[in-house]
Amino acid sequence: AQSVTQLDSHVSVSEGTPVLLRCNYSSSYSPSLFWYVQHPNKGLQLLLKYTSAATLVKGINGFEAEFKKSETSFHLTKPSAHMSDAAEYFCVVSRGNAGNMLTFGGGTRLMVKP
Amino acid sequence: KAGVTQTPRYLIKTRGQQVTLSCSPISGHRSVSWYQQTPGQGLQFLFEYFSETQRNKGNFPGRFSGRQFSNSRSEMNVSTLELGDSALYLCASSLGFTGQPNSPLHFGNGTRLTVT
Repeated sequence: AQSVTQLDSHVSVSEGTPVLLRCNYSSSYSPSLFWYVQHPNKGLQLLLKYTSAATLVKGINGFEAEFKKSETSFHLTKPSAHMSDAAEYFCVVSRGNAGNMLTFGGGTRLMVKP
Repeated sequence: KAGVTQTPRYLIKTRGQQVTLSCSPISGHRSVSWYQQTPGQGLQFLFEYFSETQRNKGNFPGRFSGRQFSNSRSEMNVSTLELGDSALYLCASSLGFTGQPNSPLHFGNGTRLTVT
């Protein structure tokens, strides 16, 4: 079984300040982990993925995530928020290399204030 | 390369009707999966097709069905629509099996279904 918990349903930051979106997972297998972003009335876009090659993963648009097995976490960060980062973010887990159904977190809505 | 295309973008139906949604994956992608997104339940997996075979199915009633054609295009059908079926239906394609780390999902913009 696997599950994902995004610890904050809403996060508000000021433009130019750091972003932290928190994600904890549980999985009986070695997981693959992803972060996706969804802008209003759009589909989801892949930001980054963890595939066990490196614990610190760099994605698009300046986002990074660090896989911490001991804490079962995969938090998403960005050093400096931009207005265009306002969107909903989803943390996703799948069962390692097996290729199986994805489990989505509940989403975190990021608001960026000018 | 064209992205995942879903048609139509918006649909309004009444209770009891049926509806068919269409998804054209990225060229070369063999896996297509469908998700239902609602404010209350979030993103829920419906089913996945790979090379015309249903590979996985989520926990939805039999009113929800799908299929994949030889060109990888996919359709999902919902019969006897209920008010609770109102949602954004997202289709995603991938090169290999859904969830494989080197085969991330590419999503379409979705079909917004409203049932009145």
